[in-house]
Amino acid sequence: DAKTTQPPSMDCAEGRAANLPCNHSTISGNEYVYWYRQIHSQGPQYIIHGLKNNETNEMASLIITEDRKSSTLILPHATLRDTAVYYCIVRVEDSNYQLIWGAGTKLIIKP
Amino acid sequence: NAGVMQNPRHLVRRRGQEARLRCSPVKGHSHVYWYRQLPEEGLKFMVYLQKENIIDESGMPKERFSAEFPKEGPSILRIQQVVRGDSAAYFCASSIHKNTEAFFGQGTRLTVV
Repeated sequence: DAKTTQPPSMDCAEGRAANLPCNHSTISGNEYVYWYRQIHSQGPQYIIHGLKNNETNEMASLIITEDRKSSTLILPHATLRDTAVYYCIVRVEDSNYQLIWGAGTKLIIKP
Repeated sequence: NAGVMQNPRHLVRRRGQEARLRCSPVKGHSHVYWYRQLPEEGLKFMVYLQKENIIDESGMPKERFSAEFPKEGPSILRIQQVVRGDSAAYFCASSIHKNTEAFFGQGTRLTVV
């Protein structure tokens, strides 16, 4: 079973910030939080990952709570092309990459 | 997604036939992972290979499924005697090290008729 829970779907207006929550209350100290997204009929695309500090890259920002039990992925200025299913995954840093994927959040960006 | 090439993109097989799915990783990547995805579900890990070696195949069915990653050439996921339940999207990913982010291919959509 996935170690994360996410809302099944969310809407966001184009140009606004999209904030996608993820709960990972059983996360261990050596587990990272990874985010991927999957645009319809395509392969998953890596977005960002973090351990305990907030992270930012050209695609998104990742905010992890101090107790690490939840996190939020922020797409600062959502566009229609950001419509996708977003997956939050916890992963041991030195694992054999046996990622456990939940059902993700279907984000729909509306014009 | 740049760099990981999977073919074919779509594959139709009759029950009982063999399906061979190919994956060419990003150049320089020696770690390859195969996942299966059913409609409206997340990906399910199948197997992890590192050049000529199977590291972890705990997600792959014991019967009919096999995977290889030869020294030369692409990684191959083989499904023998396919059944309708094998219909799914199969994704391959590669990474330069086992603990760095993986890049995914576009997938092969297998339909068993």
